[in-house]
Amino acid sequence: EIVMTQSPATLSVSPGERDTLSCRASQNIYTFLAWYQQRPGQAPRLLIYGASTRATGIPARFSGSGSGTEFTLTISSLQSEDFAVYYCQQYNNWPPTFGQGTKLEIK
Amino acid sequence: VQLQESGPGLVRPSETLSLTCTVSGGSISNYYWSWIRQPPGKGLELIGYIRYTGSTDSNPSLKSRVTISLDTSKNQFSLKLSSVTAADTAVYYCARIPNPDWVNWFDPWGQGTLVTVSS
Repeated sequence: EIVMTQSPATLSVSPGERDTLSCRASQNIYTFLAWYQQRPGQAPRLLIYGASTRATGIPARFSGSGSGTEFTLTISSLQSEDFAVYYCQQYNNWPPTFGQGTKLEIK
Repeated sequence: VQLQESGPGLVRPSETLSLTCTVSGGSISNYYWSWIRQPPGKGLELIGYIRYTGSTDSNPSLKSRVTISLDTSKNQFSLKLSSVTAADTAVYYCARIPNPDWVNWFDPWGQGTLVTVSS
């Protein structure tokens, strides 16, 4: 099973700032990576798939990059609704596995 | 497409957890359909999936206890998890895998339903 490791666990950021979240895979997953946003009390929402393709309706301030074992999710100019938990997920190997999440909180 | 989970919110230890996901706004007769769970305050774990053809697979960590089935006439799919313990307490989500040929990402998700295992 591929282990996904996200860092940091919590990030304190001010609205309007730019922020980068990291995700590392325990082995090569090429670009078979997705990112999700989970607001409190809500289900996860797909943001990015294929490491860098935004899902339908996702604002352009969200961007993903990386390949192999190292990936990043960048959020430019953080809005109040962006403060949430973010998960990465690999789908190169069965079973698909998720990172433990990075919580983005308001500084 | 919208998904909605339903089922008991409380299950006794050693019994079987049963949930149903109702799909609206689209046919269940395409794609893969999955179950994912999230223990309180923790991360996400895939339980398993069923393909529109009826083929299934489950996370090896749960495989012996999981049954997933499909009812195309009702546009529903279901999860049964046997011999539950307190460790199975979680919010259970159903989600579509938007590719008809292989398991990749999950979109959209149902709102989730909390299942507590307790006597």
